[in-house]
Amino acid sequence: DVVMTQSPLSLPVTLGQPASISCRSGQSLLHSDGNTYLSWFQQRPGQSPRRLIYKVSNRDSGVPDRFSGSGSGTDFTLKISRVEAEDVGVYYCMQGSHWPPKTFGQGTKVDLK
Amino acid sequence: EVQLLESGGDLVQPGGSLRLSCAASGFTFSNNAMSWVRQAPGKGLEWVSAITSSGESTYYADSVKGRFTISRDNSKNRLYLQMNSLRAEDTAVYYCAGGAEYWWGQGTLVTVSS
Repeated sequence: DVVMTQSPLSLPVTLGQPASISCRSGQSLLHSDGNTYLSWFQQRPGQSPRRLIYKVSNRDSGVPDRFSGSGSGTDFTLKISRVEAEDVGVYYCMQGSHWPPKTFGQGTKVDLK
Repeated sequence: EVQLLESGGDLVQPGGSLRLSCAASGFTFSNNAMSWVRQAPGKGLEWVSAITSSGESTYYADSVKGRFTISRDNSKNRLYLQMNSLRAEDTAVYYCAGGAEYWWGQGTLVTVSS
């Protein structure tokens, strides 16, 4: 199974400031079809997860452009350019390149300082 | 509007069985692979199982293989998870997800306890 490791696990943020979450995989997520199936999810308190980013850097419909994804191989990053109050929650990366199983990172809790 | 509505969660004793259901609407269900993802209380997300759009192929996490069975009825736009030999560690909110985990339901709580 591909192990996904996120850091930090807790991220206190200041409104209006940038934030960054790292996700590393135990092996390259480059699929034989040329795609890299790395997604990012947001889970606000008391809500279901919501996909923000797919295939490393593609924003889903309705996702604010302050969210961006980058990376390749085994190292990936989710960035929030200017944190807003509604961004509080837990963020997960997930790989779908080598499955089953699809595997998630441990989650990074983002809250306000 | 896409909707995934899970049902069937309950309190069940260890060793018992439960069948979860997910009613899908707002998209072409028969064209989409579907998954179940669970979240134990206060914990992270765990992928459980997936099924191809036709239902021909199924996949499972090692933790549930041999105990859980995923299935679908494309004529009813429904996804199912039959859970047998339940253990305390299966206690979680179970989410139905589709569209490569783009769409998610609200989840249904399964509690395994005596």
